[in-house]
Amino acid sequence: AQSVTQPDIHITVSEGASLELRCNYSYGATPYLFWYVQSPGQGLQLLLKYFSGDTLVQGIKGFEAEFKRSQSSFNLRKPSVHWSDAAEYFCAVAPNTGNQFYFGTGTSLTVIP
Amino acid sequence: GAGVSQSPSNKVTEKGKDVELRCDPISGHTALYWYRQSLGQGLEFLIYFQGNSAPDKSGLPSDRFSAERTGGSVSTLTIQRTQQEDSAVYLCASSLAGRTSGYTDTQYFGPGTRLTVL
Repeated sequence: AQSVTQPDIHITVSEGASLELRCNYSYGATPYLFWYVQSPGQGLQLLLKYFSGDTLVQGIKGFEAEFKRSQSSFNLRKPSVHWSDAAEYFCAVAPNTGNQFYFGTGTSLTVIP
Repeated sequence: GAGVSQSPSNKVTEKGKDVELRCDPISGHTALYWYRQSLGQGLEFLIYFQGNSAPDKSGLPSDRFSAERTGGSVSTLTIQRTQQEDSAVYLCASSLAGRTSGYTDTQYFGPGTRLTVL
């Protein structure tokens, strides 16, 4: 069965520090890959997505993610975190057959001054 | 409207009662998705509509859950004989083309309906 794993339930980083949020998926073929952010009291917003081609994907708010087929990973990165980045981050996978979407359980990010 | 809207924003019901949750997608969006967000369990995909059709209903957790979409627009998620484990935030999202575009288009999420079953 397809699954998405976000190993880190909660991460705390200092403002200005770099960030990497991990995402691993279980699927036979390369699926479509997404990262979403959910700020407190707000809905989910798409940060970036990967379908094919260049494995390094640029998104909004200075985020990027790299698809590594050999590791079945799609980790999210940001070189310098801002206090406003504090939120819940979700990785999602859509197999390229079928009609389902699978989300990870999320990683909660705290940013300290 | 400008975005995806959902109603009610909050619903408190007693165990065993039926509830209906409504989603108004962005005008012109053919694809519509329902998710459930439970505390500590992330987002769970429930069902996807392409137009008025739901190609795959296997994400619905039990036969107490059903959903329909009419006129290629509004969708209703119905939960019959609610149970306490149904308590969650139910999110709706829409996208322009959905599966037919290979999911290259963006899903826009509504604010959700928080369901509490007492």
